[in-house]
Amino acid sequence: QVRLHQSGPGLVKPSETLSLTCSVSGASVTNYYWTWIRQPPGKGLEWIGYIYYGGNSNYNPSLKSRVTISVDTSTNQFSLKLSSVAAADTALYYCARGVRFSVNLPSYYFDSWGQGSLVTVSS
Amino acid sequence: SYELTQPPSVSVSPGQTASITCSGSKLGDKFASWYHQKPGQSPMLVIYHDNRRPSGIPERFSASNSGNTATLTISGTQAEDEADYYCQAWDSSTWVFGGGTKLTVL
Repeated sequence: QVRLHQSGPGLVKPSETLSLTCSVSGASVTNYYWTWIRQPPGKGLEWIGYIYYGGNSNYNPSLKSRVTISVDTSTNQFSLKLSSVAAADTALYYCARGVRFSVNLPSYYFDSWGQGSLVTVSS
Repeated sequence: SYELTQPPSVSVSPGQTASITCSGSKLGDKFASWYHQKPGQSPMLVIYHDNRRPSGIPERFSASNSGNTATLTISGTQAEDEADYYCQAWDSSTWVFGGGTKLTVL
């Protein structure tokens, strides 16, 4: 069974960099689309970006200039860095495993989620 | 960028059938997935690849996708099904979520 466990600070100052780590057990980070998603308080889900082992990554165009997602195969973890944060970046952040499922044509979905990390941007 | 639209809220009486829609341009040409999120919990996959249920999801959850609309149907809705529901699709190498629908079981 895949388990994703998130860690990182819950409070970040404006203009600084938000950093979160997701530890994966029950699966290898050398496969799947390792993804970050966020949810502002009282709002819906927003896809931030993913990394696929081998360097293939893609980010939400609205965040692309500030986001970096990386993977560490030695620790079986992947990480999120979001730079120059502001109050609008306050949200519950989730890591998730993205799956490509193919029957004739492929579909993509998230089958495992982390527990969520509330990150507040405030001085 | 691709957009998915859901009604903000749907209400249903216990034991009745709830339907939640998700609209997007030519959504039927893509595949839709659905998640539910209960208060204080992480989202959970309930439907993938348009109409497939993951292991452990009750048979009362079903879905379809055609034209511009995907629909999640919950038959014999139970109080425990009260949650926020999100549709999701894949477009141009990006994941897209609908805005979410709050299902209230009255």
